[in-house]
Amino acid sequence: AQSVTQPDIHITVSEGASLELRCNYSYGATPYLFWYVQSPGQGLQLLLKYFSGDTLVQGIKGFEAEFKRSQSSFNLRKPSVHWSDAAEYFCAVGRNSGNTPLVFGKGTRLSVIA
Amino acid sequence: DSGVTQTPKHLITATGQRVTLRCSPRSGDLSVYWYQQSLDQGLQFLIQYYNGEERAKGNILERFSAQQFPDLHSELNLSSLELGDSALYFCASSPRLAGRTDTQYFGPGTRLTVL
Repeated sequence: AQSVTQPDIHITVSEGASLELRCNYSYGATPYLFWYVQSPGQGLQLLLKYFSGDTLVQGIKGFEAEFKRSQSSFNLRKPSVHWSDAAEYFCAVGRNSGNTPLVFGKGTRLSVIA
Repeated sequence: DSGVTQTPKHLITATGQRVTLRCSPRSGDLSVYWYQQSLDQGLQFLIQYYNGEERAKGNILERFSAQQFPDLHSELNLSSLELGDSALYFCASSPRLAGRTDTQYFGPGTRLTVL
């Protein structure tokens, strides 16, 4: 069975600083990987996804993520954080066969300070 | 806006009661998933339907059930409610693509409070 670990429960960054949120997955084959963002009181919005091909994927709102098979990681990055990026971020993994449910990490809460 | 709608947005009820949560998937999506988000358990998969048939089951309690109707909307029924059932319930939908997981688009959720 697949699993996802987001080691950081809460991260605080200054506005304009760079950001990296960590995600490690466990899955026996090539995974399908996703990052979602949840603003307070809101649903989950897809930021980006990796299915195959280029291991550096670009998403919305200036986010990118890099798939590293050797490290079983799919870290999310943003070069310059805006106050509106404050939210909860979830990494998720899906199987590469069948239309299957996602397994989510526990999430990382991002706070942005002036 | 993901195109997935959920009603109601908020639901407050008492222990022992029964409620129904409704989800309308994106136009054309055949798969519907239900997830529960709570502070202690995080986001947990409950159940999946594809074109009216149950496809996969996760950590869904026997007191909970779901169905997907011919028009593809889905309902999640929660009965004999307990305080611990208080959570945010999300519905997600995805199109059918043969042989692989596809992107799931999430609705805004229904916040259930059991008093």
